[in-house]
Amino acid sequence: DAGVIQSPRHEVTEMGQEVTLRCKPISGHNSLFWYRQTMMRGLELLIYFNNNVPIDDSGMPEDRFSAKMPNASFSTLKIQPSEPRDSAVYFCASTRDGRGMNTEAFFGQGTRLTVV
Amino acid sequence: RKEVEQDPGPFNVPEGATVAFNCTYSNSASQSFFWYRQDCRKEPKLLMSVYSSGNEDGRFTAQLNRASQYISLLIRDSKLSDSATYLCAVWAWAAGNKLTFGGGTRVLVKP
Repeated sequence: DAGVIQSPRHEVTEMGQEVTLRCKPISGHNSLFWYRQTMMRGLELLIYFNNNVPIDDSGMPEDRFSAKMPNASFSTLKIQPSEPRDSAVYFCASTRDGRGMNTEAFFGQGTRLTVV
Repeated sequence: RKEVEQDPGPFNVPEGATVAFNCTYSNSASQSFFWYRQDCRKEPKLLMSVYSSGNEDGRFTAQLNRASQYISLLIRDSKLSDSATYLCAVWAWAAGNKLTFGGGTRVLVKP
């Protein structure tokens, strides 16, 4: 398997523009997580899905952020409109059913977003 | 208070020395615990799971203290290649299978 695939790897955009980040989880994994990482705040959980259903979006910073998972092999995180403070690395991770001790989360390589 | 907290460091460690650091969690419903390693500008990768009885993997030892709600990681005989950020991760199933990470502890091993 190719692992978790995120695109784009890097994104530079102007303030006010819409940004869409994409994630393809590992086939067979039924939980998907979106995280944001900054120096100041570390790795923050934004939202996660189980069997394509959003379970907890309490980490989404504000209404400008939205996430979807239309099927088991694809998820998007959208920021509209983007602001400079959204600049961060956004990671997507997937796992099998999280009820086991050895449920490892596999991360994509991340999308480095810069909003200018 | 954050759900999972770590000392950000950095821990400056002479090569060959032992270093240990903790991670505290606030959700008593937490049920699975892990240590991840993250290299600069890379994604986190699983280092080891943390079992209730404690466990070792080579030079790495993980411990869990449920009463005080913390986990620990000890690295013996530190290598230069151990320089990285170590993130603890906590599964809380009662919260709907939520996987929460600490902010990470940076370790720098120096010759």
